[in-house]
Amino acid sequence: KAGVTQTPRYLIKTRGQQVTLSCSPISGHRSVSWYQQTPGQGLQFLFEYFSETQRNKGNFPGRFSGRQFSNSRSEMNVSTLELGDSALYLCASSYPGQGYEQYFGPGTRLTVT
Amino acid sequence: GENVEQHPSTLSVQEGDSAVIKCTYSDSASNYFPWYKQELGKGPQLIIDIRSNVGEKKDQRIAVTLNKTAKHFSLHITETQPEDSAVYFCAASGGGSQGNLIFGKGTKLSVKP
Repeated sequence: KAGVTQTPRYLIKTRGQQVTLSCSPISGHRSVSWYQQTPGQGLQFLFEYFSETQRNKGNFPGRFSGRQFSNSRSEMNVSTLELGDSALYLCASSYPGQGYEQYFGPGTRLTVT
Repeated sequence: GENVEQHPSTLSVQEGDSAVIKCTYSDSASNYFPWYKQELGKGPQLIIDIRSNVGEKKDQRIAVTLNKTAKHFSLHITETQPEDSAVYFCAASGGGSQGNLIFGKGTKLSVKP
């Protein structure tokens, strides 16, 4: 079974721009969670989607948004990028009913200059 | 707010020795406690998890213990090997939801041959 895939793997953007990251979950998984990883703050929860609905949201500003499609693929968007948004953005998928184990993708490395 | 403390931040052991990493969580509603291993350039890999109705779980050289009263859980790796070298993260489900994980800051484990 293929794992979680994330595209693109690397991205360089300029302050003020916006960016969209994509995540394809493991086949059959219907829940997708997004996390931000930085050296200073570690791994922080952004939001979780299940059946195209946002189920949970972390403590991030409204510039961070996401959505999930009917095939469970998910995207997250960051508008008006700031230097502090430079991070590794990780997506994790899980299958409700199998213990909610979350399986992570390789991440998208976003650099804001 | 919800918090997970992880110690130590770095750990160096000789090959064949045991390694222990400890975590403390603050949210009494947390009921799911996974451990992840992250190697350089990769996403976190789920290595073992435990639920609140279980006190201990083993998988070959890896074991996890949970003390719900004290809100402590620990990872034990026996007979360490150089390939165990990585950053290990503990996590606890946040707000009673298993889709939202609160992570510790990580432990960098180095196993010296």
